[in-house]
Amino acid sequence: AQRVTQPEKLLSVFKGAPVELKCNYSYSGSPELFWYVQYSRQRLQLLLRHISRESIKGFTADLNKGETSFHLKKPFAQEEDSAMYYCALLNTGGFKTIFGAGTRLFVKA
Amino acid sequence: GAGVSQSPSNKVTEKGKDVELRCDPISGHTALYWYRQSLGQGLEFLIYFQGNSAPDKSGLPSDRFSAERTGGSVSTLTIQRTQQEDSAVYLCASSLYGNSETQYFGPGTRLLVL
Repeated sequence: AQRVTQPEKLLSVFKGAPVELKCNYSYSGSPELFWYVQYSRQRLQLLLRHISRESIKGFTADLNKGETSFHLKKPFAQEEDSAMYYCALLNTGGFKTIFGAGTRLFVKA
Repeated sequence: GAGVSQSPSNKVTEKGKDVELRCDPISGHTALYWYRQSLGQGLEFLIYFQGNSAPDKSGLPSDRFSAERTGGSVSTLTIQRTQQEDSAVYLCASSLYGNSETQYFGPGTRLLVL
């Protein structure tokens, strides 16, 4: 079964501390993986995708097929990073995007 | 240009009533998606449209749910005989061509079934 698991519902870190939001997936093929973010009172929006291999707002995510993980990392968290983060999987050749339950990141001053 | 819009933004209805939720995608986007976000849950895929056709209806939770898209643009999600468990935020998204294209989300419709 296709599944995306985000084990932490809430993650609280201090400003300047490193942050890692965990994501594990279950998929038999070659998935495309994404991180979406929803800031307070804003719409859900794409943060980054694994095929782009880019760093957005200081965040990076590496696909680890051996561990079936796609953790989101940032070396120094900022207060403006406080938001809800969703990991998502798109099945190759399909159009169905499967989202995790989300992790709320709270960055304390 | 304008982003994805949804109406109404909030809807309160009584159990057993029918509701219609509307989504206006970004102009020119051929792909349109509906998701449901229940309290404490992630986004649950409901249905996908490519143009006016829906090749994937696998996510619709029951036959009380239906959706259509006309003119390759506006889409409506209809829930018949609403139940309390239908209470959720219903999100619409569109993308240029579908598949791995970036999805742009609307603000959602918050549905409360009393």
